[in-house]
Amino acid sequence: AQSVSQHNHHVILSEAASLELGCNYSYGGTVNLFWYVQYPGQHLQLLLKYFSGDPLVKGIKGFEAEFIKSKFSFNLRKPSVQWSDTAEYFCAVSGSGNTGKLIFGQGTTLQVKP
Amino acid sequence: EAGVAQSPRYKIIEKRQSVAFWCNPISGHATLYWYQQILGQGPKLLIQFQNNGVVDDSQLPKDRFSAERLKGVDSTLKIQPAKLEDSAVYLCASSSRLAGGSYNEQFFGPGTRLTVL
Repeated sequence: AQSVSQHNHHVILSEAASLELGCNYSYGGTVNLFWYVQYPGQHLQLLLKYFSGDPLVKGIKGFEAEFIKSKFSFNLRKPSVQWSDTAEYFCAVSGSGNTGKLIFGQGTTLQVKP
Repeated sequence: EAGVAQSPRYKIIEKRQSVAFWCNPISGHATLYWYQQILGQGPKLLIQFQNNGVVDDSQLPKDRFSAERLKGVDSTLKIQPAKLEDSAVYLCASSSRLAGGSYNEQFFGPGTRLTVL
C-alpha cells in the first residue's frame, strides 16, 4: 500500500537549534517528493520538492531535504531554526507520470521557543 | 498571481443537512484536486479533475459526496447528507502539467473548515 510515515508528531526546539524531520515512504515506482508547511492561520505552501537529479534539494527559508532512494527516505533539515519556523510540516509523495495525486504523512508540529 | 480561492472559510451544520463548497483554481491550471483533512492527519485526496473530466475519485464516498467542474474552471464539492465524521477541513488545490505530461507542484487554497453537529 502507498503510504508516508513521519517519525515525529510533535517537536519542540529552542531557537538556533538544528532541525531534522524524518519522512519515509512506501510507493512502487519512481516518485516525486514534497515537503509542505502550514504556518499558523495560513494555508499549505510548498517548502521544497524533488522530481529528479541532485538528491539534495534546497527550498525556501534555508530548508533542505535529502532523497535517499535505498532508504525510501526524504528527511527535512535546517541548521538553525527560528521562532518563525513554528508550523506544521507535511511530507508527501506522488508517482512520477502518475495522476499527480499526493499521499501525505500525518504531519509534524514544530514549536520553536524564543 | 492570485492563489486558489475557496469559500466559505467556515461552515457549521447539523448532521443529515447538506453543504456545498466552492473552489476557484489558479488561472490556467487544468488540474484540480479536493482533499479532506481530518484533525491530526494529513490531507487525503477525495477527487481529481483534469479540465472537466474526473481522473481519480476512488476515495470519494459517492453515496453522500459529489463534485463537479462543469466548465473546467471552478469546482463545487457537495455533501448530502452530512455525518458527524465529515467534520474536517476541505482543501482545494490546483496544478499545471509539465512538458513531459507529468504533474507540477500543487498550490493549495485556505480550506473550508466544516463542523457537523
